[in-house]
Amino acid sequence: DQQVKQNSPSLSVQEGRISILNCDYTNSMFDYFLWYKKYPAEGPTFLISISSIKDKNEDGRFTVFLNKSAKHLSLHIVPSQPGDSAVYFCAARVNNDMRFGAGTRLTVKP
Amino acid sequence: EAQVTQNPRYLITVTGKKLTVTCSQNMNHEYMSWYRQDPGLGLRQIYYSMNVEVTDKGDVPEGYKVSRKEKRNFPLILESPSPNQTSLYFCASSGTLMGNEQFFGPGTRLTVL
Repeated sequence: DQQVKQNSPSLSVQEGRISILNCDYTNSMFDYFLWYKKYPAEGPTFLISISSIKDKNEDGRFTVFLNKSAKHLSLHIVPSQPGDSAVYFCAARVNNDMRFGAGTRLTVKP
Repeated sequence: EAQVTQNPRYLITVTGKKLTVTCSQNMNHEYMSWYRQDPGLGLRQIYYSMNVEVTDKGDVPEGYKVSRKEKRNFPLILESPSPNQTSLYFCASSGTLMGNEQFFGPGTRLTVL
């Protein structure tokens, strides 16, 4: 069963605009959420995370929002840059169990 | 340079021929894990290890074995590979128990004919 879902396989935005990537989860026991970015032929790299006790975490152009009641989190990238074009994975953790979504391919057009 | 290395990067093999994918990290991390990535399914955890000689099953362990005899190495063993194990495999490590940030290797693309 997919406990973490990214329902949009792809997203295309214009350079300078906001990118919003969404993620839904089903397990209310998840206590930590992360976003990873993956370029072709490379392993995923950590981007940003948020604890379940918070509802927002910001790091430069990247902000993650967590809505526990809706079991939903989102990643905002502002402003988007062509170098942000990659596959973004949402992940959620409880104890030793880490679950990933299927990924969203973001394309930022110049 | 801090990194996770995997070998080989690409492998084509035949059904039933035992193979090992090596994984090594130079960050003195306690926690290591293996994932497979398949289209539409994202990354799924195969096995993980919290420390030397301590391993446990992840989400999809069937058909795989692991060992953790040294802190830096965590090989993935396919005793009798089958075509449904054709996938992209990633090794990852982190510094603490299921540390928040995992460092991933570059991946191993395995094809089982």
